[in-house]
Amino acid sequence: GAGVSQSPRYKVTKRGQDVALRCDPISGHVSLYWYRQALGQGPEFLTYFNYEAQQDKSGLPNDRFSAERPEGSISTLTIQRTEQRDSAMYRCASSPRRTGDGYEQYFGPGTRLTVT
Amino acid sequence: DAKTTQPTSMDCAEGRAANLPCNHSTISGNEYVYWYRQIHSQGPQYIIHGLKNNETNEMASLIITEDRKSSTLILPHATLRDTAVYYCIRGSNYKLTFGKGTLLTVNP
Repeated sequence: GAGVSQSPRYKVTKRGQDVALRCDPISGHVSLYWYRQALGQGPEFLTYFNYEAQQDKSGLPNDRFSAERPEGSISTLTIQRTEQRDSAMYRCASSPRRTGDGYEQYFGPGTRLTVT
Repeated sequence: DAKTTQPTSMDCAEGRAANLPCNHSTISGNEYVYWYRQIHSQGPQYIIHGLKNNETNEMASLIITEDRKSSTLILPHATLRDTAVYYCIRGSNYKLTFGKGTLLTVNP
């Protein structure tokens, strides 16, 4: 079946612009996660949704970062007034489970964001 | 703080078993052990997870010591396509904390 998809795959933007990154999870998956990955490092947790509810946004670096999942399916991560330090790979993952017996997460291909 | 310790790199011959160790000596009773891998620039791929018992699926086996302070991921017959960074992660909920992982190189 179809996996997690993300768009765009690559985004180059100028410093100060806003960007919106989209994630389309696996159909029927309850939970959705956003991560950021710097080169040579493992992914770093940003935020998490169960259905449409944002359960944890503790990993968002500052208030320029926000995320939503209004209908419990597609999610958008928005970065306002981008800065060069925001350049990274942004990854989305989804999971079929909400709580309990472990959390296997299925990751998308990522969006490579470059802020110039 | 990834809270797990893994070797930086390992080599394995194609067709042989790859045994990847992980130390999680401060793991608490309700924390699972997860293994993911990342091939080149692709997204991380879930492999397996366990709590107390050993687990096996079509990709790998997970052996957890009785005291749960360490575990080993076993790829029974490694292929060149198994070359990747392997992450051992402990966690009790949704939040996966990735460390640096082990770069496994499978050689022909």
